[in-house]
Amino acid sequence: DAKTTQPPSMDCAEGRAANLPCNHSTISGNEYVYWYRQIHSQGPQYIIHGLKNNETNEMASLIITEDRKSSTLILPHATLRDTAVYYCIVRDHGSSNTGKLIFGQGTTLQVKP
Amino acid sequence: DAGVIQSPRHEVTEMGQEVTLRCKPISGHDYLFWYRQTMMRGLELLIYFNNNVPIDDSGMPEDRFSAKMPNASFSTLKIQPSEPRDSAVYFCASSPLAGVTDTQYFGPGTRLTVL
Repeated sequence: DAKTTQPPSMDCAEGRAANLPCNHSTISGNEYVYWYRQIHSQGPQYIIHGLKNNETNEMASLIITEDRKSSTLILPHATLRDTAVYYCIVRDHGSSNTGKLIFGQGTTLQVKP
Repeated sequence: DAGVIQSPRHEVTEMGQEVTLRCKPISGHDYLFWYRQTMMRGLELLIYFNNNVPIDDSGMPEDRFSAKMPNASFSTLKIQPSEPRDSAVYFCASSPLAGVTDTQYFGPGTRLTVL
C-alpha cells in the first residue's frame, strides 16, 4: 500500500472551513483514498473515501487532484466537536490484504472558538 | 443498530494475570478487526477475521496474545500472561464486505492497564 504524508497539526477557527491536506505521491491506479477521524477517547470514525472523482457526503468533501498524488479533506463549517485526529489512508480494494487499514500518525485538528 | 460493543470498557490487572477482552460486531458484518493503540506506536492492527476465520494475524505481538471468533456475533482477545507493556487501548472494529468498501466501524475500546 502507498504511504501518506500529513501535517502533524492544524488549527481552524470555529465556523470556518477546515482543509486537511494529504500527500500520496506513490498511489497506484487501484488504490482508494480513505479518511477517518478519531475524537479523543473514542474509536476511529469513517468519514469519506474516493478513487478519482471528488466526493461529498454529510460530513465532508474530498478533493483529489487530477494526478491523484494528493488530496484534501474539507470540513465546510468546522465546529468544536470536529477537534480530532484525522487519518488519511490509501487502500487497494483488490489487494490480498483486503480490509487491512494502516493508520499513520494523522493530523491533529484543533478547532478554536 | 447498537454498533460494535466491547467489554469491559476499562480493565486494571496485575502483571502475570490473564486478560480477556470481548467484542460483539455489528450484525451482518463479515469482517472483524482487533487493533491496539498506544502513544508510542499509534493504532496497530493485530488480527482480523473473515466469516469467523482468522485471515491475518501478523500484527499479533507474541504468543501471549490469542484471538478467537467462535461465531459471527462474538470475538475475544486474550493476553496470558499480561505484562505492563501491554497497557493500551484495544479497539474492535467490524466491516461489511471488504473489497467493496473498507469502511470499518469501531467500538469504544477497552482501556487496559497492567500494573
